Amino acid sequence: NAGVTQTPKFRVLKTGQSMTLLCAQDMNHEYMYWYRQDPGMGLRLIHYSVGEGTTAKGEVPDGYNVSRLKKQNFLLGLESAAPSQTSVYFCATRGREGRSYNEQFFGPGTRLTVL
Amino acid sequence: GQQLNQSPQSMFIQEGEDVSMNCTSSSIFNTWLWYKQDPGEGPVLLIALYKAGELTSNGRLTAQFGITRKDSFLNISASIPSDVGIYFCAGQLRTGTASKLTFGTGTRLQVTL
Repeated sequence: NAGVTQTPKFRVLKTGQSMTLLCAQDMNHEYMYWYRQDPGMGLRLIHYSVGEGTTAKGEVPDGYNVSRLKKQNFLLGLESAAPSQTSVYFCATRGREGRSYNEQFFGPGTRLTVL
Repeated sequence: GQQLNQSPQSMFIQEGEDVSMNCTSSSIFNTWLWYKQDPGEGPVLLIALYKAGELTSNGRLTAQFGITRKDSFLNISASIPSDVGIYFCAGQLRTGTASKLTFGTGTRLQVTL
């Protein structure tokens, strides 16, 4: 039972390059979230999904796209990376009911640097 | 977007001391959550609070949901070296189905022997 995993762990991009971050969960959770964490800013929500095939914008969605083709995977895409997107990216999941309803479970993060 | 005001930003304390940190918001929340983040890892939930005035403990940790629903406090008693990390508060307003979290800016705790 791996919980929430993220790949890759680290990545360095040049301005204008594209990449996709993968979040995978084996907890059968309905909800999935992508956050970015910057120094002194806490975590800010980029996009989220309330179920397979659905996505919605969060607080800071510009420059990112997401897809939830399978329930267990949530992909975050950067079409044309910019230095302002240098950050640590966290994926989180949440169940629909029970104790897991209020708790978001986080992955270990992806550290992205855009030069 | 809204951010919660969390204080202090950082703390340097000696092992055995008690720690207090708090979080305030300009708007109300239905749920307050406290997370801890170790270096290089994702946040892990410590305590969840569901009612105004609620006081909840988890070992040496105690947290309270403010009466106004706009603030929350976390106390750590008799700190130990493994308490080192960044502590985040998060407020949740259960509107719709997504129940998005708003995070505080974090309190970095350093414990010296």
